Amino acid sequence: AQSVAQPEDQVNVAEGNPLTVKCTYSVSGNPYLFWYVQYPNRGLQFLLKYITGDNLVKGSYGFEAEFNKSQTSFHLKKPSALVSDSALYFCAVSPGGATNKLIFGTGTLLAVQP
Amino acid sequence: SQTIHQWPATLVQPVGSPLSLECTVEGTSNPNLYWYRQAAGRGLQLLFYSVGIGQISSEVPQNLSASRPQDRQFILSSKKLLLSDSGFYLCAGKRGASGLETQYFGPGTRLLVL
Repeated sequence: AQSVAQPEDQVNVAEGNPLTVKCTYSVSGNPYLFWYVQYPNRGLQFLLKYITGDNLVKGSYGFEAEFNKSQTSFHLKKPSALVSDSALYFCAVSPGGATNKLIFGTGTLLAVQP
Repeated sequence: SQTIHQWPATLVQPVGSPLSLECTVEGTSNPNLYWYRQAAGRGLQLLFYSVGIGQISSEVPQNLSASRPQDRQFILSSKKLLLSDSGFYLCAGKRGASGLETQYFGPGTRLLVL
């Protein structure tokens, strides 16, 4: 079955430190991979996506993600965390080709302490 | 990019009452449209999606229904609400059928059934 795993329910990091939010996937073919962020009582905001090409993708608000095909991972990273980065982060995968649906992970709550 | 509008923002309804949530899309024509429910502030459950006017696919059997009367309008309905229908409802849209297109989300509707 096709799936996305976010193994950490919560990630805690001090402001100014680097952060990583993990995501692994299990889909057939060449997937398209997405990261979204959700602030409390708000809709999801698109951060970045990997389609093809360079494995390091840069997105909004200083975030980047690294696609690793051999490890089937797409971890979200930021060199220096801000308190305002505290939010719920979702990884999602589209299995590729003409498809109508995204498969979402269960979300990781990022808490950045001042 | 697209803009997704949802209303109302919040709704409190008694058990057994009807429901109508509306979603409209700006910035693209013939979008794929989606209704998600998010319970307890975490995982997303895809409820319905639509690839065109009058075309609705249901992902899970439930007390809800969806309709798409116009190209950029998507409605979520119920004839009689249940307590279990409480949650945060998100509408999303994307341009076309390809999996590499990004889904953009609306601000959500918080529904509380009492």
